[in-house]
Amino acid sequence: NAGVTQTPKFRILKIGQSMTLQCAQDMNHNYMYWYRQDPGMGLKLIYYSVGAGITDKGEVPNGYNVSRSTTEDFPLRLELAAPSQTSVYFCASSFGGETGRGNTEAFFGQGTRLTVV
Amino acid sequence: GNSVTQMEGPVTLSEEAFLTINCTYTATGYPSLFWYVQYPGEGLQLLLKATKADDKGSNKGFEATYRKETTSFHLEKGSVQVSDSAVYFCALNYGGSQGNLIFGKGTKLSVKP
Repeated sequence: NAGVTQTPKFRILKIGQSMTLQCAQDMNHNYMYWYRQDPGMGLKLIYYSVGAGITDKGEVPNGYNVSRSTTEDFPLRLELAAPSQTSVYFCASSFGGETGRGNTEAFFGQGTRLTVV
Repeated sequence: GNSVTQMEGPVTLSEEAFLTINCTYTATGYPSLFWYVQYPGEGLQLLLKATKADDKGSNKGFEATYRKETTSFHLEKGSVQVSDSAVYFCALNYGGSQGNLIFGKGTKLSVKP
């Protein structure tokens, strides 16, 4: 079972470059999330989606964009990379809302380690 | 608002020692509570969960009980192993229309042989 797949695993960007972090899940989950994890810190929610075509901002959305054209995919876009975006990025998915009733687990990808220099 | 507070780490224990990692929460309504574990270089994976008051979640020798009266969900294990070395995250899911998880900052556990 693939679960949640993130690509790439590692990436080094120069300041001002752009890139897309890919995330795909094969569990038919309606909810998907992007988190960032800074060294020694917990996870902060960047964006989330409750279903195809619907996205919303989390705690730290500045500098990022997302789209959800299908249930399976939830790419995260960095338009103008900045050193402050150096972090490990995790994508996750779950059943949520009325489907999940708030009590189902989230499944995480392996993470993308991004360095902006 | 909703939040999770867990004890600061790092925590260093000898093999076979007793482990407690404290977690308290603030939430409206009746959230579900989770413990996630992150092994070095990996993503988070669910360790255990509890969906209502007085429920006990358990897995791999770890346990946590959902205490509504103290708004706590402390993680315990009677005898830790070196392989338990990881970062542990307490989380809540308050469901509703968002259904998103709120995480604590994580507690790094190191177990020495």
